[in-house]
Amino acid sequence: KQEVTQIPAALSVPEGENLVLNCSFTDSAIYNLQWFRQDPGKGLTSLLLIQSSQREQTSGRLNASLDKSSGRSTLYIAASQPGDSATYLCAVTPYGGATNKLIFGTGTLLAVQP
Amino acid sequence: EPEVTQTPSHQVTQMGQEVILRCVPISNHLYFYWYRQILGQKVEFLVSFYNNEISEKSEIFDDQFSVERPDGSNFTLKIRSTKLEDSAMYFCASSRDRRSDFSITEAFFGQGTRLTVV
Repeated sequence: KQEVTQIPAALSVPEGENLVLNCSFTDSAIYNLQWFRQDPGKGLTSLLLIQSSQREQTSGRLNASLDKSSGRSTLYIAASQPGDSATYLCAVTPYGGATNKLIFGTGTLLAVQP
Repeated sequence: EPEVTQTPSHQVTQMGQEVILRCVPISNHLYFYWYRQILGQKVEFLVSFYNNEISEKSEIFDDQFSVERPDGSNFTLKIRSTKLEDSAMYFCASSRDRRSDFSITEAFFGQGTRLTVV
């Protein structure tokens, strides 16, 4: 059974710092991995999607990498800003299902201090 | 930019009552999903829906749950007899393509409906 874990559970950094969020999954048989942002009491905003054949994706200050064989992904945030404060979730689409259901990680709560 | 919309944003209901949560997926999307997030816990998959039928469901999605696409735009989740433990944020999502190594399957989520069962 696929399990997705994120480390750290919470992170507090000063504004301007570069940071890395980690995601690990137990079964490397995935179609893709997606990173989301969740603001308190709000929905999920898709940040980046990496297909299983890709190694990384970039969007603005965000860069996500995928090492499928080791079951790991990282989300790199450059020059963090207070507006980046949110919970970051990673999710994988496993092989074997009938559709693109997502298995979510536990999340990392990020606080960027001004 | 197209988005998934959910109504209501918050619903309070008495235990044992039926509730219907509504979603309007992105218009050219073909696959629809419901997820839930109990406070402080992971987001969990409930059900996926394609071509007017359930494609996949989790163990959570038991007989008290049902989904429907009553018209060309709405996608609903019905909980027949709510329990206290059904209190959660319920998210609707949609994607354009089915799973494939070669196609984009990005899921877009709505803002959620917070269901409180009292």
